[in-house]
Amino acid sequence: DAKTTQPNSMESNEEEPVHLPCNHSTISGTDYIHWYRQLPSQGPEYVIHGLTSNVNNRMASLAIAEDRKSSTLILHRATLRDAAVYYCILRGHNAGGTSYGKLTFGQGTILTVHP
Amino acid sequence: ETGVTQTPRHLVMGMTNKKSLKCEQHLGHNAMYWYKQSAKKPLELMFVYSLEERVENNSVPSRFSPECPNSSHLFLHLHTLQPEDSALYLCASSQEFPGSGEKLFFGSGTQLSVL
Repeated sequence: DAKTTQPNSMESNEEEPVHLPCNHSTISGTDYIHWYRQLPSQGPEYVIHGLTSNVNNRMASLAIAEDRKSSTLILHRATLRDAAVYYCILRGHNAGGTSYGKLTFGQGTILTVHP
Repeated sequence: ETGVTQTPRHLVMGMTNKKSLKCEQHLGHNAMYWYKQSAKKPLELMFVYSLEERVENNSVPSRFSPECPNSSHLFLHLHTLQPEDSALYLCASSQEFPGSGEKLFFGSGTQLSVL
């Protein structure tokens, strides 16, 4: 499975934008880029995903490099509730053409948001 | 509320006990998963069920026995566990299509302690 590399931790102030980077230099052409976050004592929560084009939803934006070897999750205005571990994951496929949730999690980035 | 419910939330068991973890999804999804999250380690995929058929078993010891009686329910039967099996066990579900990169919905997990 292709791997991702993220900084161990990042800090932000409330109401400011946050850019969380992720490197995935061995990504294959069919891998989707997924972002999840995990709050303490909870399961991971889906944030956003994309394949080639930049994506926006109500939670965040995902900027994907043209060569797809890196991506950036953008939280436009951080709140205290955004403090969590953020995981950048490549969603691969099995031989049958479906991916069956083959999410390989790394250590993620611990985001601290200061009031 | 993610639509994936896990019970119990907490479980303490001795090494000679037999217990079961339960997961129920109310989303009409066709795939379900068990993940394990040990302290200070990334999430590890344990089992994948697609349309009630096990499609992936990531070299999990036989003391963990999954069961998927229908597309909405998933169990993890536990017997003769070891203290190192203490972890957060997470259930997830997704709706799979060939070649798609669909998102996973996670439950809140069962925090298991083996004494």
